[in-house]
Amino acid sequence: NAGVMQNPRHLVRRRGQEARLRCSPMKGHSHVYWYRQLPEEGLKFMVYLQKENIIDESGMPKERFSAEFPKEGPSILRIQQVVRGDSAAYFCASSPPFRESNNEQFFGPGTRLTVL
Amino acid sequence: AQKVTQAQTEISVVEKEDVTLDCVYETRDTTYYLFWYKQPPSGELVFLIRRNSFDEQNEISGRYSWNFQKSTSSFNFTITASQVVDSAVYFCALSEAWMDTGFQKLVFGTGTRLLVSP
Repeated sequence: NAGVMQNPRHLVRRRGQEARLRCSPMKGHSHVYWYRQLPEEGLKFMVYLQKENIIDESGMPKERFSAEFPKEGPSILRIQQVVRGDSAAYFCASSPPFRESNNEQFFGPGTRLTVL
Repeated sequence: AQKVTQAQTEISVVEKEDVTLDCVYETRDTTYYLFWYKQPPSGELVFLIRRNSFDEQNEISGRYSWNFQKSTSSFNFTITASQVVDSAVYFCALSEAWMDTGFQKLVFGTGTRLLVSP
């Protein structure tokens, strides 16, 4: 059973470009979380999604950031018009439906975004 | 609001020394979960332990042990006989109880960087 997969592992963008980060949850997992880790900081919650629904996006910046988790395919975190301050590691985590989850989130290896 | 404090930014020890990483948390929930994760230089997050608020028994796993004390809102992590491979950033995290949607947000501390030298 493959773990949570994220790609790309490293992404370099110039200011003003778009960044798309992909997350494939573990098989059977229907819940996806995105976290951001700024340099030398802990992880901060961004958004929680279930299939086709955004449940909580209280940690998402109000502008330029969006997330989706379509019925088919990976979850996508999209950052439009990137700025240098967006440089960070973005981690995805997944969990099964909550009655089965035993309260554990499984983390992917992260995508390191560098904005030049 | 929930909060996790890891006051030690960086700790340096020599191999074979014991080291304790502190974690203090704040929450209004009566049911909550505490976690420790390891982030080695390669950057991934490695799950170490999960503990729920009703279980105050200390836990030992090999050279690792955890001391959970609700009275002081602390969940400290001790590595016995440290090794160079233990060098990493260690994060303590807290999650609130389940909501009907299954939402369970993790709140992380800022991490403690552990450097173990030979």
